[in-house]
Amino acid sequence: GAGVSQSPSNKVTEKGKDVELRCDPISGHTALYWYRQRLGQGLEFLIYFQGNSAPDKSGLPSDRFSAERTGESVSTLTIQRTQQEDSAVYLCASSFTDSGALEQYFGPGTRLTVT
Amino acid sequence: DAKTTQPTSMDCAEGRAANLPCNHSTISGNEYVYWYRQIHSQGPQYIIHGLKNNETNEMASLIITEDRKSSTLILPHATLRDTAVYYCIVRVLSGSARQLTFGSGTQLTVLP
Repeated sequence: GAGVSQSPSNKVTEKGKDVELRCDPISGHTALYWYRQRLGQGLEFLIYFQGNSAPDKSGLPSDRFSAERTGESVSTLTIQRTQQEDSAVYLCASSFTDSGALEQYFGPGTRLTVT
Repeated sequence: DAKTTQPTSMDCAEGRAANLPCNHSTISGNEYVYWYRQIHSQGPQYIIHGLKNNETNEMASLIITEDRKSSTLILPHATLRDTAVYYCIVRVLSGSARQLTFGSGTQLTVLP
């Protein structure tokens, strides 16, 4: 079946602009995660959804970052007034249930470049 | 979550078995051992997990020592496509935090 998909695959934006990143999880996966990975660095957790609610937003780096999920499916991560330090690969993952949280299936990521 | 220690890098000849070690001497009884890998420019990929018994799937085998203080991921016939950073993660299955936290992992290079 189809894996996790993300769009766009690449996004170049000017500093100060808003961007919206999309994630389509694997069908039937109730849990969804957003991570960020800066060049040459490890994964940085941003936010986690169980269904349409977000029990853990602890990783969102500032109030410029927000995310939502509708219909227990698609999720969007929005970054307002982008800064150069926001440049990174944004990865989305999903898992079948909350209890199986560590078997996460990742999408290919969106490479964001803020100029 | 228990701390893990992995070698920084390893080489393996194509077609041979790749054995990747992980030390987790502070592991507690309800913590699982998970392995993921990340091929360059791709998202991480789940490989396998286990609690105390050895596990095998279509990708790899996981050998956990009897005292659970260390484990080894085995890729039985490594190919060039297995070149990646391999991460060993130890943590409980439940709990309020759901995110994965990767350490620095082992860079496996499969040589032709």
